[in-house]
Amino acid sequence: DAGVIQSPRHEVTEMGQEVTLRCKPISGHNSLFWYRQTMMRGLELLIYFNNNVPIDDSGMPEDRFSAKMPNASFSTLKIQPSEPRDSAVYFCASWGLGGYTFGSGTRLTVV
Amino acid sequence: SQQGEEDPQALSIQEGENATMNCSYKTSINNLQWYRQNSGRGLVHLILIRSNEREKHSGRLRVTLDTSKKSSSLLITASRAADTASYFCASDNTDKLIFGTGTRLQVFP
Repeated sequence: DAGVIQSPRHEVTEMGQEVTLRCKPISGHNSLFWYRQTMMRGLELLIYFNNNVPIDDSGMPEDRFSAKMPNASFSTLKIQPSEPRDSAVYFCASWGLGGYTFGSGTRLTVV
Repeated sequence: SQQGEEDPQALSIQEGENATMNCSYKTSINNLQWYRQNSGRGLVHLILIRSNEREKHSGRLRVTLDTSKKSSSLLITASRAADTASYFCASDNTDKLIFGTGTRLQVFP
């Protein structure tokens, strides 16, 4: 298995633009997590899914953030409109037999 | 916030010395995990200790857990320059991982 795959690896966008981050979990894993990492706030859990259903989105900072998991092999995290304070590294992780596996992250810069 | 805390925030040692990092968490747990992150990279799982365990070893790593104090420690023995990274504890309370603030370890050759 190639592990958890995130795309893009890097994203630079202008303030106000829509940003979509993508994640492909490990096949057979039934939970998926989105985390955000910044210097100021560390690693924050934004939202997680179990069997494609959102379970807890209390970490989503505001309505500009939304996440979907239309099927077991794909999830998106969307920010619309983006703001400079959204600049961070966004990690996706999946959980199943063998525990948690993290993707390499998407480094988002909003200018 | 449910986020745990780690101390020290930063640690600098010489190669060959031992490095100890401490973690406190806030909720009840099924297990506690430690992760490593090299600069600009993703998180790599190091070791997991279950809530009914008090100590666990893996190579040069030794982890302790005190559930009464909601605390854990990670000891890296005989450190190497390649151990330079950030280390995070993560509490697993059944359905999600909550990370600590991390310790930046610098090992000088």
